[in-house]
Amino acid sequence: DGGITQSPKYLFRKEGQNVTLSCEQNLNHDAMYWYRQDPGQGLRLIYYSQIVNDFQKGDIAEGYSVSREKKESFPLTVTSAQKNPTAFYLCAVRMGQKHSPLHFGNGTRLTVT
Amino acid sequence: LAKTTQPISMDSYEGQEVNITCSHNNIATNDYITWYQQFPSQGPRFIIQGYKTKVTNEVASLFIPADRKSSTLSLPRVSLSDTAVYYCLVGANYGGSQGNLIFGKGTKLSVKP
Repeated sequence: DGGITQSPKYLFRKEGQNVTLSCEQNLNHDAMYWYRQDPGQGLRLIYYSQIVNDFQKGDIAEGYSVSREKKESFPLTVTSAQKNPTAFYLCAVRMGQKHSPLHFGNGTRLTVT
Repeated sequence: LAKTTQPISMDSYEGQEVNITCSHNNIATNDYITWYQQFPSQGPRFIIQGYKTKVTNEVASLFIPADRKSSTLSLPRVSLSDTAVYYCLVGANYGGSQGNLIFGKGTKLSVKP
């Protein structure tokens, strides 16, 4: 989706290092989400934020941290406490209405060795 | 929280109509039904959303019976480029006390020439 930018597309890190994944949007949408996808699996919710300066844990928040200082940005930090960080990370946004669909970025594939 | 059940995989040939059914027996009154398409190494893409009866757009139709306990995504005259994973989601909110929407493993559609 052209209005959502995830960078970089591929990221490689050594075990024990923290790494931050970027998600920027120019759609002026209120809510932003981070999902993790493992090979052959569905998406699992890590964190979400419905307004600036507020965010909530999803189903698998342990080992991750986020911030929402600006409406346009919702960076995700994968900390060294995350036991299995290698995965495909997807950022999504949606408008404020409850049933509005999600719009996803193209993801960042993180490999930790 | 409405759980969904979809076939793990389906095969089809170019030019055929494909129908993917999703079961959601415990759908709530205010839940919408949303379908996404995902290609490898990309974020899911919104296809169609509905609440009841039939919804049609330029790429698909969504059929929802009166009891809303299931829904069927219909893809007319599929082509090789429709090979992807299709997710059915049911809910009114993507996070918060009203429940997270859960992406299951989806249905892997393979279109053959």
